[in-house]
Amino acid sequence: DAKTTQPNSMESNEEEPVHLPCNHSTISGTDYIHWYRQLPSQGPEYVIHGLTSNVNNRMASLAIAEDRKSSTLILHRATLRDAAVYYCILFSGYALNFGKGTSLLVTP
Amino acid sequence: NAGVTQTPKFQVLKTGQSMTLQCAQDMNHEYMSWYRQDPGMGLRLIHYSVGAGITDQGEVPNGYNVSRSTTEDFPLRLLSAAPSQTSVYFCASSYSGYRSYNEQFFGPGTRLTVL
Repeated sequence: DAKTTQPNSMESNEEEPVHLPCNHSTISGTDYIHWYRQLPSQGPEYVIHGLTSNVNNRMASLAIAEDRKSSTLILHRATLRDAAVYYCILFSGYALNFGKGTSLLVTP
Repeated sequence: NAGVTQTPKFQVLKTGQSMTLQCAQDMNHEYMSWYRQDPGMGLRLIHYSVGAGITDQGEVPNGYNVSRSTTEDFPLRLLSAAPSQTSVYFCASSYSGYRSYNEQFFGPGTRLTVL
């Protein structure tokens, strides 16, 4: 299974943009790039996904490199409620292969 | 819609006891799955189902059984609980599973402690 690499932790100030990077150099042509987040003591929550093109939704934007070997999740204005663990996942087969993700700390 | 519901929220078992974790969804999703999350770790897939009557093993299936008799329900059975099964268990569902771009919806989790 293709793997992803994310920083263990990142910190942001409230109301500032946050760029969460993810490397996936062994991605296959049919792998979708998914992002989920997990707030403390809750189940994971879907954020966004993409295949080749950049994607936007109400929660975030996903920027995908042209060679698809990396991607960046963009939170446009971080709030305290965005403090969570963010998982970058390559969807392969039936399982979401969660790694350890990036723990995002948002400070007022 | 209630989404994905799980019961119980908390459970304490003694080694060797058996129990069933319940999972239900009201979104008419074909695909359902069970994950476990150990402290400080990501989620790992235990079992999954692509429709009623069809189940398969995930990454860590030993010690667990599943069945899928209806679209709505996907119970997870612990046959003989062991301390190594102390974990938080999450159920998830999606419209379809294989190489899907569909989002998965997760339940709130069941926190299980085995003494």
